Amino acid sequence: RKEVEQDPGPFNVPEGATVAFNCTYSNSASQSFFWYRQDCRKEPKLLMSVYSSGNEDGRFTAQLNRASQYISLLIRDSKLSDSATYLCVVNEGFQKLVFGTGTRLLVSP
Amino acid sequence: DVKVTQSSRYLVKRTGEKVFLECVQDMDHENMFWYRQDPGLGLRLIYFSYDVKMKEKGDIPEGYSVSREKKERFSLILESASTNQTSMYLCASSQGLGFFGPGTRLTVL
Repeated sequence: RKEVEQDPGPFNVPEGATVAFNCTYSNSASQSFFWYRQDCRKEPKLLMSVYSSGNEDGRFTAQLNRASQYISLLIRDSKLSDSATYLCVVNEGFQKLVFGTGTRLLVSP
Repeated sequence: DVKVTQSSRYLVKRTGEKVFLECVQDMDHENMFWYRQDPGLGLRLIYFSYDVKMKEKGDIPEGYSVSREKKERFSLILESASTNQTSMYLCASSQGLGFFGPGTRLTVL
């Protein structure tokens, strides 16, 4: 079983739609969690950290469920510029960052 | 502004050559990482380092070695390059949050 699993997609949605991605992790001792965004042929960039209480940044909402060991990302009112691959990242301790394979999002006009 | 730089964006080498990939960060981070990214496999951790002269194997260390003589610099070495090491190599540095370099696309002929 992979340490961090994501549905690779692609998720094809129209502009304005709401879309959600989930990610599961296997190491229950994992300490911190993040979502990264990666555009084509670019390096991953931090989108947001994920806190136990859930957190929001504009149109983006991240949730963490430690009991079920999953993380979610919700994007509201999708924009064309949201098209990218979204990577779920887990810090397993000692700063070891483990990445999921990513979920590809395509937002169309 | 945080910065992680990698020595080359594109590199073409021949089978059997020794290859050095260099990464430098200016954020005084303790932790540095080397990943490779391949289609369908996502980012896979090769090696990481949490201090000068310290290194830890990641998930796919075979065929690679690393060097961290100074805090800001983390080098990945392919002792004898092989065609299956053709990939995108991404360096990251982290102190909680991870920041990536732009990547080196290595082709081994």
